[in-house]
Amino acid sequence: GENVEQHPSTLSVQEGDSAVIKCTYSDSASNYFPWYKQELGKRPQLIIDIRSNVGEKKDQRIAVTLNKTAKHFSLHITETQPEDSAVYFCAAGAHGSARQLTFGSGTQLTVLP
Amino acid sequence: DAGVIQSPRHEVTEMGQEVTLRCKPISGHDYLFWYRQTMMRGLELLIYFNNNVPIDDSGMPEDRFSAKMPNASFSTLKIQPSEPRDSAVYFCASSLTPQGPPLHFGNGTRLTVT
Repeated sequence: GENVEQHPSTLSVQEGDSAVIKCTYSDSASNYFPWYKQELGKRPQLIIDIRSNVGEKKDQRIAVTLNKTAKHFSLHITETQPEDSAVYFCAAGAHGSARQLTFGSGTQLTVLP
Repeated sequence: DAGVIQSPRHEVTEMGQEVTLRCKPISGHDYLFWYRQTMMRGLELLIYFNNNVPIDDSGMPEDRFSAKMPNASFSTLKIQPSEPRDSAVYFCASSLTPQGPPLHFGNGTRLTVT
């Protein structure tokens, strides 16, 4: 089955700096890679996703890159703000299949004021 | 839409007691998932249903855990008997496909077993 590894497990950055979280996956059949954000005490929510037919996707201050050859994808947050502090989960799935998403272990991001 | 509704929000029980967690998915969503979240193990998929039928229960820890989906608008996760190591936040999620997007999570049930 699919195995998703996520690094780092914790990340602290100064407000205004950039943050990068990296994930690797094992199943070459995976073609869909979402990122979920979970604020303290709340539920995970989708913030951005990418499909395997593109290499990069941006949405304001967040972007995701995908390297299918190397089987890794990354979340980039620029100009970080205190409200970006949360746990971020990457996941991998295969759209069109019956296989559910496989989540990474999560990254606790802390943005220091 | 009210989103995925879970109850109760918090449950405190003594070891050995039966615990039942409840979930109402978003209307029209064919897939329902039960996840467990702990600091040590992160977000674990316990079981998921498609059109009320259990598809993959390989994540269910042991026979003490059972899940049912008697109809399209209701699911339960039962733990009997409960143990302290079952303490966690349990999330229910629903979606139109196995991958979403997105998976719509409920607010979770924080279970504490003493």
